[in-house]
Amino acid sequence: GAVVSQHPSRVICKSGTSVKIECRSLDFQATTMFWYRQFPKQSLMLMATSNEGSKATYEQGVEKDKFLINHASLTLSTLTVTSAHPEDSSFYICSARDRGGSSGNTIYFGEGSWLTVV
Amino acid sequence: DAKTTQPPSMDCAEGRAANLPCNHSTISGNEYVYWYRQIHSQGPQYIIHGLKNNETNEMASLIITEDRKSSTLILPHATLRDTAVYYCIVRAGGTSYGKLTFGQGTILTVHP
Repeated sequence: GAVVSQHPSRVICKSGTSVKIECRSLDFQATTMFWYRQFPKQSLMLMATSNEGSKATYEQGVEKDKFLINHASLTLSTLTVTSAHPEDSSFYICSARDRGGSSGNTIYFGEGSWLTVV
Repeated sequence: DAKTTQPPSMDCAEGRAANLPCNHSTISGNEYVYWYRQIHSQGPQYIIHGLKNNETNEMASLIITEDRKSSTLILPHATLRDTAVYYCIVRAGGTSYGKLTFGQGTILTVHP
């Protein structure tokens, strides 16, 4: 079936630095990808919609200058957490929609990336 | 998006069927019902989706009531590895196609 892959799966960075997380659709093209954040014992919260070739759309309350999203190709979206602080420590998850194939219009999720800011 | 309501937790004995209910009384005619599950520290895994007909795949069956206001996910022979949080989601259409709103889900615990 369709696969969405994230890298890195775990990352530790120092406070004040930036960290990039990649999301790839491995066997389908995704014009739209989505980025979520999940804090411990909470549900997933949508942060932004990543659109290939155009600017991302951010959910209310999400700082676009802090969470930079780039969707430069049909198979890759990146999320960069800039000037990271300990409160940004979280589980970041991406998803992508597979419009083709036998599953048709199914949304698949990556494995998630654990970010720890120290 | 139509809101969904799920019980916060359920238990099931290994080898028995797990029936997870979901209410979505405000669902619109063009909205699908999707089920995902999330095992601890992993990304959500797609299980099944449907519009109005019952659906079955290698993982589960989805039963949608005729009025589409509720559905049930059935895991026919639950195993310990099926212990997870199960999310019932009604998917938005139009320009936000693919955007999913997650509730709290149902924590399913399968015990020996």
